[in-house]
Amino acid sequence: GAVVSQHPSWVICKSGTSVKIECRSLDFQATTMFWYRQFPKQSLMLMATSNEGSKATYEQGVEKDKFLINHASLTLSTLTVTSAHPEDSSFYICSARTGASTDTQYFGPGTRLTVL
Amino acid sequence: GENVEQHPSTLSVQEGDSAVIKCTYSDSASNYFPWYKQELGKGPQLIIDIRSNVGEKKDQRIAVTLNKTAKHFSLHITETQPEDSAVYFCAASYGKLTFGQGTILTVHP
Repeated sequence: GAVVSQHPSWVICKSGTSVKIECRSLDFQATTMFWYRQFPKQSLMLMATSNEGSKATYEQGVEKDKFLINHASLTLSTLTVTSAHPEDSSFYICSARTGASTDTQYFGPGTRLTVL
Repeated sequence: GENVEQHPSTLSVQEGDSAVIKCTYSDSASNYFPWYKQELGKGPQLIIDIRSNVGEKKDQRIAVTLNKTAKHFSLHITETQPEDSAVYFCAASYGKLTFGQGTILTVHP
């Protein structure tokens, strides 16, 4: 149980284009999903917290107009990197909480974004 | 905000030995402490967690201890196997996770 999927697993795009990454909870409903970013050989940094049906909460320093998050249902959250540039190249990982009263987060397999 | 320090950054052991990774946290409000294993190119996998009302938890070869007074917690892996080789992250949470810097564990056959 508690499986989280991401799509795509990797994507290469040209500078200036937008890329959408999907995060799905496959066997549970996730009222809260999280988006992380991980640079090579570094730790995970929380970008934003996504609650179903409401606006995402972004961490300090994360541009909300650049990283658009939509949590339209209890099983799907999307992250859109708008006008991507090479410095946005990174490993993007989502996680989901199984319930509002639990702390446990289950992570997706990640999406490798490369911007040329 | 919360700050989590993790040591060592790299750890090399022989198969069958034990491995210990230590973390300290700064925010006394943190009440949930998970450990994740991350293999190359994959997302983190939860391996064990502990809450602030518990001092120790064990699951087969893996155990975690928590000292709330000192604000530190540790991961213990016994009888290590080559497949335990990965990057291990600790985290502390009071609503959202703050991760340590990670430990690259290498288990030599």
